[in-house]
Amino acid sequence: EAEVAQSPRYKITEKSQAVAFWCDPISGHATLYWYRQILGQGPELLVQFQDESVVDDSQLPKDRFSAERLKGVDSTLKIQPAELGDSAMYLCASSPSGDEQFFGPGTRLTVL
Amino acid sequence: GDSVTQMEGPVTLSEEAFLTINCTYTATGYPSLFWYVQYPGEGLQLLLKATKADDKGSNKGFEATYRKETTSFHLEKGSVQVSDSAVYFCALANFGNEKLTFGTGTRLTIIP
Repeated sequence: EAEVAQSPRYKITEKSQAVAFWCDPISGHATLYWYRQILGQGPELLVQFQDESVVDDSQLPKDRFSAERLKGVDSTLKIQPAELGDSAMYLCASSPSGDEQFFGPGTRLTVL
Repeated sequence: GDSVTQMEGPVTLSEEAFLTINCTYTATGYPSLFWYVQYPGEGLQLLLKATKADDKGSNKGFEATYRKETTSFHLEKGSVQVSDSAVYFCALANFGNEKLTFGTGTRLTIIP
């Protein structure tokens, strides 16, 4: 069964360092999402891609976060510099546009 | 803006007990409604969904009915099992906007 892949699964970093997360969606899924899930809360959308184009990044803190999906397949989310408040689970999801979203296992980030 | 309010947890039940997790929403337009489940160490999985008023979503013994008049989508199961222990998220998506808005999640623990 096809799955969304994410790496790394866990990341510990010090504040002010740069971190990057990778997501490989299910093959053929045009839409890709990055969510942030703070402990004890529901996921919140950071950015949505349709193929290689950004559809919604209204909740992405653009002073420190960036996301790209250059070839419309896999995607990278970067934080530079990381802050203590960025500690969270970062979830990637994909969908064949307008349908069910399939989630990856997530990357748990701890900023010290 | 759109929002989802979930019954606060954690919820602890004995095996074979009846389960209800309350969910109400506020949204412009006519959203689709979802329940997602997150097992320990895994990503979110779609449990069930409903796209219009009075629709009943069902899966693995779980059910939820889209009630437009009370803006609710309560999750129910007649007889829970230990394997149902997980965190349950209620979510909505408005037509034409695939972005999911999640509730805060309800942690369910079933004891033998």
